[in-house]
Amino acid sequence: QSVLTQPPSVSGAPGQRVTISCTGSSSNIGAGYDVHWYQQLPGTAPKLLIYGNSNRPSGVPDRFSGSKSGTSASLAISGLQAEDETDYYCQSYDSSLSVPYVFGTGTKVTVL
Amino acid sequence: EVQLVESGGGLVQPDRSLRLSCAASGFTFDDYAMHWVRQAPGKGLEWVSSISWNSGSIGYADSVKGRFTISRDNAKNSLYLQMNSLRAEDTALYYCAKDIAAGTFYYMDVWGKGTTVTVSS
Repeated sequence: QSVLTQPPSVSGAPGQRVTISCTGSSSNIGAGYDVHWYQQLPGTAPKLLIYGNSNRPSGVPDRFSGSKSGTSASLAISGLQAEDETDYYCQSYDSSLSVPYVFGTGTKVTVL
Repeated sequence: EVQLVESGGGLVQPDRSLRLSCAASGFTFDDYAMHWVRQAPGKGLEWVSSISWNSGSIGYADSVKGRFTISRDNAKNSLYLQMNSLRAEDTALYYCAKDIAAGTFYYMDVWGKGTTVTVSS
């Protein structure tokens, strides 16, 4: 059971903007720990999409953006494309647990 | 090219053991912390274990603590996961991943393709 909650699914039409929330608490996101996002295409390994709340690794389109506020973080995808239809996970650190890594529950993005 | 290649997965009976390996190439292995992350069929990502560059800092998920042991051989550019007392709930695709930090755990910037572990009688 993850301490970072994401909506199971979000959807949007091509070209639209969708956002995925990652809701935590005062012991993780709210404590100031950074949030990172991964994209997992079907049958492949996760790929780093956003690091340090809002930074994109080289090669990631600027359609993807991240933000953090309070005890939550968000991943936004603008100009939605068919290839964006896949799973997304947030990740952070939780000081109340004895583990350094916590992943979100995951969100499936569907392009209508 | 930075690459991580896992091996050692397979079908194993409950309570038996298995050792996973991860061969790293394309980067200076002993400059970075390393991780194991697993994904059960149809489920999300679950962090399993992490090890700092010099093995001085190690962490385990509660679900595997006392049964799994992470280790690394910097001379061989390799990461390992010794899995004992395996249970059906350990069935998953196991990924090896590289951290961007050396001594602390931050985020994973490179992932392998994974190796499948199936625990069943």
